[in-house]
Amino acid sequence: SQQGEEDPQALSIQEGENATMNCSYKTSINNLQWYRQNSGRGLVHLILIRSNEREKHSGRLRVTLDTSKKSSSLLITASRAADTASYFCATDPFYSEGGKLIFGQGTELSVKP
Amino acid sequence: ETGVTQTPRHLVMGMTNKKSLKCEQHLGHNAMYWYKQSAKKPLELMFVYSLEERVENNSVPSRFSPECPNSSHLFLHLHTLQPEDSALYLCASRQRLGGGQNIQYFGAGTRLSVL
Repeated sequence: SQQGEEDPQALSIQEGENATMNCSYKTSINNLQWYRQNSGRGLVHLILIRSNEREKHSGRLRVTLDTSKKSSSLLITASRAADTASYFCATDPFYSEGGKLIFGQGTELSVKP
Repeated sequence: ETGVTQTPRHLVMGMTNKKSLKCEQHLGHNAMYWYKQSAKKPLELMFVYSLEERVENNSVPSRFSPECPNSSHLFLHLHTLQPEDSALYLCASRQRLGGGQNIQYFGAGTRLSVL
């Protein structure tokens, strides 16, 4: 089964509001990553947080990681209509041959102008 | 543009056709992947190639046949597909970062419709 489980599956907010998405996983990891996918396009890497890090920032993105709870959250602050997309967490498990990542089911974010 | 190019972007084929999907990257990455993305389903990893050797085949039916002639090119050969194979097929390549960390660069995908 997929390692990453995201919550919520869909999120609708107004422009300017913050969006928070959560991800849970099951096994030990090297790192956890977040990707974004615009409709019908490929995924784009947003941010990586290592297993020994607890929080990381990149622009309007803030990611937290709690390895004791095997969970992560992605916060997008001051959202814009252009942030409308699906967001996926991906875990990089230990002893992964070929650098395989395990993707979650994704959260569909809709930001209304 | 991510540097990973997939062609064609759209493909419609009958169940008896044979077609191929192509993926190309000149980023110097040495691992490449095929994923299948169906509506309302998680991304499914199909094949992993590392240094041109297939290291993983996730129980994919034999009607899908991958080929990796060199580290820059990856193909997915399709024959006698079923309507349930209609999906977005994504190719990705791996960038190694420091400390054993990896991220993936994705192509824009091929939207496949099997009639």
